[in-house]
Amino acid sequence: QKEVEQNSGPLSVPEGAIASLNCTYSDRGSQSFFWYRQYSGKSPELIMFIYSNGDKEDGRFTAQLNKASQYVSLLIRDSQPSDSATYLCAADTGKLIFGQGTTLQVKP
Amino acid sequence: GAVVSQHPSWVICKSGTSVKIECRSLDFQATTMFWYRQFPKQSLMLMATSNEGSKATYEQGVEKDKFLINHASLTLSTLTVTSAHPEDSSFYICSARGMSAGGTDTQYFGPGTRLTVL
Repeated sequence: QKEVEQNSGPLSVPEGAIASLNCTYSDRGSQSFFWYRQYSGKSPELIMFIYSNGDKEDGRFTAQLNKASQYVSLLIRDSQPSDSATYLCAADTGKLIFGQGTTLQVKP
Repeated sequence: GAVVSQHPSWVICKSGTSVKIECRSLDFQATTMFWYRQFPKQSLMLMATSNEGSKATYEQGVEKDKFLINHASLTLSTLTVTSAHPEDSSFYICSARGMSAGGTDTQYFGPGTRLTVL
């Protein structure tokens, strides 16, 4: 069964810290991976995607992919209270398979 | 990022009526559109996948006769909830996939439609 697993949290970090969000997936055929942010009552917003092993940086966000370990992560540097949201990891198998999301709380 | 619009953003209807939700990709051609449903505090549940000009593919457990999907063009897909009942009350979100202006194949979500069936 194709699955994407995330720790539901909540993950609580102080403002200015690095938040580390993790995701594992079971389908080795997954080629690319997406991170979305979803605020309560709103639809998901694309943060970034990654398809090559290693790191990909975009502003305060860094996605990391390790296909051998079937592991994807998202690092948020200098976390802000406005980053408090649910972060969804998705594996692309032709359609996106979503994890259940990790709730991040950034405390001032 | 690309823009996907949905209309209406919220709707309240009586039990037994039908509701149509429109999803448009505004600045790219969506080869595939997806429809999701999300209940409070739960993750996104994929309902169906549609490609322009062909029949939608429904996920297991989703009634195709109740949730009618039409993908008339590369920029427009509609979801019609027929004979809606209170248990159909949910947050319906469409998503469009295609090549963005930057040349990457990715998937963007619309703002969602909150359906309340009385």
